[in-house]
Amino acid sequence: ILNVEQSPQSLHVQEGDSTNFTCSFPSSNFYALHWYRWETAKSPEALFVMTLNGDEKKKGRISATLNTKEGYSYLYIKGSQPEDSATYLCAFPFSGGYNKLIFGAGTRLAVHP
Amino acid sequence: EAGVAQSPRYKIIEKRQSVAFWCNPISGHATLYWYQQILGQGPKLLIQFQNNGVVDDSQLPKDRFSAERLKGVDSTLKIQPAKLEDSAVYLCASRIQGAGGTDTQYFGPGTRLTVL
Repeated sequence: ILNVEQSPQSLHVQEGDSTNFTCSFPSSNFYALHWYRWETAKSPEALFVMTLNGDEKKKGRISATLNTKEGYSYLYIKGSQPEDSATYLCAFPFSGGYNKLIFGAGTRLAVHP
Repeated sequence: EAGVAQSPRYKIIEKRQSVAFWCNPISGHATLYWYQQILGQGPKLLIQFQNNGVVDDSQLPKDRFSAERLKGVDSTLKIQPAKLEDSAVYLCASRIQGAGGTDTQYFGPGTRLTVL
């Protein structure tokens, strides 16, 4: 059974702090890795789809890196703002043809003013 | 472009009652998913439709859960009878038919179900 692990489970930071979280996934048969942001009472929002080893993607103050050989991805937030408070989920396609996503449990980030 | 719509947003029922959730995917998206997200866990796929056919329902508790997607557009997910452990957020997602694992799934806001 595929296992996608995320750490830490939760994180509290002050406004302006930079932070990062980890997503670990099986390194064999890698296809892609998805990052989503899920704010309370809203729809999960796609952040990145990462496919190549060494990939680095950026969206505003949020960036992500990928290491497919060792099976991990980091998500970084530079200068956290209260609006960054959300649960950050990573997901791994189980069977590429049907795009069945296996999700980690998420990292819940709270940014305090 | 309108996003994925779901209703209701919240539902509270007693155990052994029935409940139904509705999803309207993004127009033109052939693939539709229902996920269950229990507090503290990641979303878990319950069922996946391609147009109006079921592609994967291996994790759907078929003794109590059912889902349909008539005419390959809207979908409903039903629980009958509900158990306490069904308390969760039920998410609907859709995807335009494409290459597969790299395609983005677009999610609705979910239905938060509480079973008392």
